[in-house]
Amino acid sequence: QVQLQESGPGLVKPSQTLSLTCSVSGDSIRSGSYYWSWIRQHPGKGLEWLGYIFYSGIPYYNPSLMSRVTISLDTSENQFSLKLTSVTAADTAVYYCARENYGLYPRIEDWGQGTLVTVSS
Amino acid sequence: DIQMTQSPSTLSASVGDRVTVTCRASQRIGTLLAWYQQKPGKAPHLLIYGTSTLQSGVPLRFSGSGSGTEFTLTISGLQPDDFATYYCQQFQTYSRTFGQGTRVEIK
Repeated sequence: QVQLQESGPGLVKPSQTLSLTCSVSGDSIRSGSYYWSWIRQHPGKGLEWLGYIFYSGIPYYNPSLMSRVTISLDTSENQFSLKLTSVTAADTAVYYCARENYGLYPRIEDWGQGTLVTVSS
Repeated sequence: DIQMTQSPSTLSASVGDRVTVTCRASQRIGTLLAWYQQKPGKAPHLLIYGTSTLQSGVPLRFSGSGSGTEFTLTISGLQPDDFATYYCQQFQTYSRTFGQGTRVEIK
């Protein structure tokens, strides 16, 4: 059973870079059947897909955030990461990492527990 | 981007009711749609994928249907554990998008 765990600072100052890591256990991020994803949820709001990365290292991003988002893999540590630059209070959210099965019928079966990141000075 | 619009935003129902949540896509997505349930403070939980395939372990009272641009999630016989927020998600394009959510609350 795969487990995903987000980690990173819970407080980031405006204009700085938000950096989160998702540690994966129970599966290799080099598995060829999954997209490794980031999703966020503003307080009291809905889910926003941020992007994902394939085991080959090719990422896909939400077009509305593409200029600020980077998702990368660390295969040696079996982790993947999210960086969001130039953050503002509007980036305050719970950030989830997740594993998307992109087979014939894609779906997100596995989620991390989520980590709250607050942007504030 | 494909926009996903759920209705209603909030639904009040009683235990035992049959409830339906609708998700409309701004363009055709075939049957590449999933439904999730989320409870406060928890990560979403997959209910249905491929529009109508029930995820393992999900009670049979949950069902999904639709194709193209209009999809429905039905709960037949609402249980106390089902009061939660439900989201649809499309997988037609590389840029995945979610509906805004439907909160099912106790009447």
